[in-house]
Amino acid sequence: AQSVTQLGSHVSVSEGALVLLRCNYSSSVPPYLFWYVQYPNQGLQLLLKYTSAATLVKGINGFEAEFKKSETSFHLTKPSAHMSDAAEYFCAVSVKGGSTLGRLYFGRGTQLTVWP
Amino acid sequence: DAGVTQSPTHLIKTRGQQVTLRCSPKSGHDTVSWYQQALGQGPQFIFQYYEEEERQRGNFPDRFSGHQFPNYSSELNVNALLLGDSALYLCASSLGGTGRNSPLHFGNGTRLTVT
Repeated sequence: AQSVTQLGSHVSVSEGALVLLRCNYSSSVPPYLFWYVQYPNQGLQLLLKYTSAATLVKGINGFEAEFKKSETSFHLTKPSAHMSDAAEYFCAVSVKGGSTLGRLYFGRGTQLTVWP
Repeated sequence: DAGVTQSPTHLIKTRGQQVTLRCSPKSGHDTVSWYQQALGQGPQFIFQYYEEEERQRGNFPDRFSGHQFPNYSSELNVNALLLGDSALYLCASSLGGTGRNSPLHFGNGTRLTVT
């Protein structure tokens, strides 16, 4: 079974500070990994994805994430937070191959607040 | 390039009623998945449609059913609504069914409130 744990349902940072959103996954095989962002009253927008190429993945809006197999983690970072980064962030996994390919398993989300 | 469009954006229904939500996939996509996002939760997979057939299903009761049309658009139907069905329903489109892990593109969702 696949599961995703996002540590911290709320994270607050000052504008310009480092953003670190944590994600750990549980999977029988190394999965595909994703980070999505959701702004109020909107759907989900893909920030970045890991599909077994480089372990450090760069995404949109200055975000990046590093896949660490030994820690089963895929934490999301951004060196300098901007007010426009305030949103809800979801980590998700998808199994490689098999009948559930393409199905995403989401974490519960982390609400990021950015203070001026 | 039109993205994923969902209608209606908001809906209020009474317990026991039935509801139909609609989704048009992103241009060029042929696979539609539906997710339920309860307040304060991450989205949960309901089912996926490809080639007009349900290909995968999550842990949802039979009250949840769907359909995909030849133009790849899709409907989600929920019968005998319960208060617990109140949620944001997200449609996502992709390419190639379960044979490819193409990225999902999400619509803005339909907010269903059951009173």
